[in-house]
Amino acid sequence: QVQLVQSGAEVKMPAASMTVSCKASGYTFTSYYIHWVRQAPGQGLEWMGIITPGGSTTKYTQKFQGRVTMTRDTSTSTVYMELSSLTSEDTAVYYCAREPPRRKYFDYWGQGTLVTVSS
Amino acid sequence: QSALTQPASVSGSPGQSITISCTGTSMDVGGYDSVSWYQHHPGKAPKLMIYDVTKRPSGVSNRFSGSKSANTASLTISGLQAEDEADYYCNSIASGSTYVFGTGTKVTVV
Repeated sequence: QVQLVQSGAEVKMPAASMTVSCKASGYTFTSYYIHWVRQAPGQGLEWMGIITPGGSTTKYTQKFQGRVTMTRDTSTSTVYMELSSLTSEDTAVYYCAREPPRRKYFDYWGQGTLVTVSS
Repeated sequence: QSALTQPASVSGSPGQSITISCTGTSMDVGGYDSVSWYQHHPGKAPKLMIYDVTKRPSGVSNRFSGSKSANTASLTISGLQAEDEADYYCNSIASGSTYVFGTGTKVTVV
């Protein structure tokens, strides 16, 4: 069955960087897009960007341009999302989600990773 | 890209029908037939309920239906049940091949 398993919760210092991983299984990794979505405490869902595991093309929302990098490792079917220059406003649950190619919706989601930014 | 506008909360009694709106612009909701809806219980992963404005994934109850008119999409839940109590988010592709979520709606079954 399709699974997206994310790395565990982290606590980070302000100005540091964070990396969350999303390991895919149960389907052909290179055939589906992966998105990253976050939810800050008491806030709604926020789309961060997309990576196409097949070609490694990325697109980020303007808010995170210059601070976010999404990469993939096809040998382990894992996608990574790195966010730098963290502030307390980056405290959130981060989700990866799968999109069937060019279908514009997210059919499977990871379990979420809580990242807390605090000194 | 601004978030799509949803009512903060909607409530209904068991068995009733409720409708959640999702208002955007011609650059997102109105420009594409690619609106999707997600049910989100706190602490769990969001679940796809509707895609391509009106389509239901396999396994999703037919009590959930979607529609769109101009720049506003809607999700209707008929025969409201206690298990439907959750947060609901719309999503649309937008210009520049980006995606945008709605502000979210808390559904309460009273």
